[in-house]
Amino acid sequence: TQLLEQSPQFLSIQEGENLTVYCNSSSVFSSLQWYRQEPGEGPVLLVTVVTGGEVKKLKRLTFQFGDARKDSSLHITAAQPGDTGLYLCAGNNNDMRFGAGTRLTVKP
Amino acid sequence: GAGVSQTPSNKVTEKGKYVELRCDPISGHTALYWYRQSLGQGPEFLIYFQGTGAADDSGLPNDRFFAVRPEGSVSTLKIQRTERGDSAVYLCASSLGPAGQGYGYTFGSGTRLTVV
Repeated sequence: TQLLEQSPQFLSIQEGENLTVYCNSSSVFSSLQWYRQEPGEGPVLLVTVVTGGEVKKLKRLTFQFGDARKDSSLHITAAQPGDTGLYLCAGNNNDMRFGAGTRLTVKP
Repeated sequence: GAGVSQTPSNKVTEKGKYVELRCDPISGHTALYWYRQSLGQGPEFLIYFQGTGAADDSGLPNDRFFAVRPEGSVSTLKIQRTERGDSAVYLCASSLGPAGQGYGYTFGSGTRLTVV
């Protein structure tokens, strides 16, 4: 059983579309991180959110931490083929536990 | 080094054999983590070192798995009597501090272990 549930598990869209992926838990976290992983590589940190309700933007990516610090969302505007990858959320207390990820494919 | 280095990148071993996987963290990173990732899954926590000591080893699946970090830098993950179910990518990460304080992890590229 995953501590963090990510949805959808798979997402395939056309270039230029917008999308949102979700990360949900029944646990409260002191912080939450999003990572992107490509085949054959380790996950790469995208963002850390710490405060409930916090919103962070990274170019076309918008990350939100839920008010109760139990959930988070990642919104991508005008997706590009280079956004293709596995998006992982990780909840932090004394250590970090990952969700199973959303595998995103952006078709040209 | 500039990043987290893991060796070997690939390891094929026979069932029942002993293997060691090595992780060289970023210089100065006191926190080091081992994760295991199976196909289609997110990384699964194994063990966390703060300095030389294992601060949390609750993720080690059984007593065939052991990890050390004797000088607070390089770490070795040791697996005895390997089983086919141990096949996975073993990821190492390091950070300046614990995740609970908001520090981000830098991951290595992993060691792909295949037990035949």
